[in-house]
Amino acid sequence: QKEVEQDPGPLSVPEGAIVSLNCTYSNSAFQYFMWYRQYSRKGPELLMYTYSSGNKEDGRFTAQVDKSSKYISLFIRDSQPSDSATYLCAMTSGNQFYFGTGTSLTVIP
Amino acid sequence: GAVVSQHPSWVICKSGTSVKIECRSLDFQATTMFWYRQFPKQSLMLMATSNEGSKATYEQGVEKDKFLINHASLTLSTLTVTSAHPEDSSFYICSAYQLGTGRAGNIQYFGAGTRLSVL
Repeated sequence: QKEVEQDPGPLSVPEGAIVSLNCTYSNSAFQYFMWYRQYSRKGPELLMYTYSSGNKEDGRFTAQVDKSSKYISLFIRDSQPSDSATYLCAMTSGNQFYFGTGTSLTVIP
Repeated sequence: GAVVSQHPSWVICKSGTSVKIECRSLDFQATTMFWYRQFPKQSLMLMATSNEGSKATYEQGVEKDKFLINHASLTLSTLTVTSAHPEDSSFYICSAYQLGTGRAGNIQYFGAGTRLSVL
C-alpha cells in the first residue's frame, strides 16, 4: 500500500464550480499536510499547509484534515480557468516527505 | 518569505557536456534540500536528498557519478549533470526545507524548475 494515495484525474469542471480534491494516507504519524499547485513546466507552489487536524481557509481555498479517517481535502470555490493545474498533496513525518501523484484539474470557461 | 530560487530555468547543451543547476534558499537556511526529476505529465521523482555539509543520499537507481550534488552552505545546493546525454533531458526541480519552527518549518518549498534539453 502506498503511503499517500491521490486520484490522478483528470478532472474537468465548468468555471464557477466547487472543486474537491482528496488524498488518503496510511501513516498515522504524519503531522504536516500540504497542498501544492503545479502549472505546466513550473515548480510546485505551496498553496496551503495544515498542522494536525482541522480546517484552514485562504480566500477561495479550504484545506481539511481528518486524521481519524486519514483523509485530507482541498476545496476550491468559484473555480477559475487560472486554477487549471496539477494539484499535489504532501505530508510529513519528521524529515520524511510523501507526495501524492497529483490530480490534473481543468476549469472550462 | 520562504523563497527558493533555481537557476537556470532552461538550458540546452550538446551531448557529452556537463550542466550545473543551482538551488538557493533566499530567506531561510535550508538544512536539507531535495532534487527531483519530472517527466511530462508524471509525478515528481525524488533523485536525492542533500544535507548541508555532508554527502547526498541518492535514491535507488540514480547514478551518483552522473548526478553530482553539492550542498556546501545552508542556502545553496547544486546539481551537476555530468556528460549529459539525450536521455537525461528532463525537468529538474529542487526544494528546500528547514526542520523546526517558523513558517518554513517542516514544509518543502520548491524552485521553479530547470528544463534540460540535451542535443
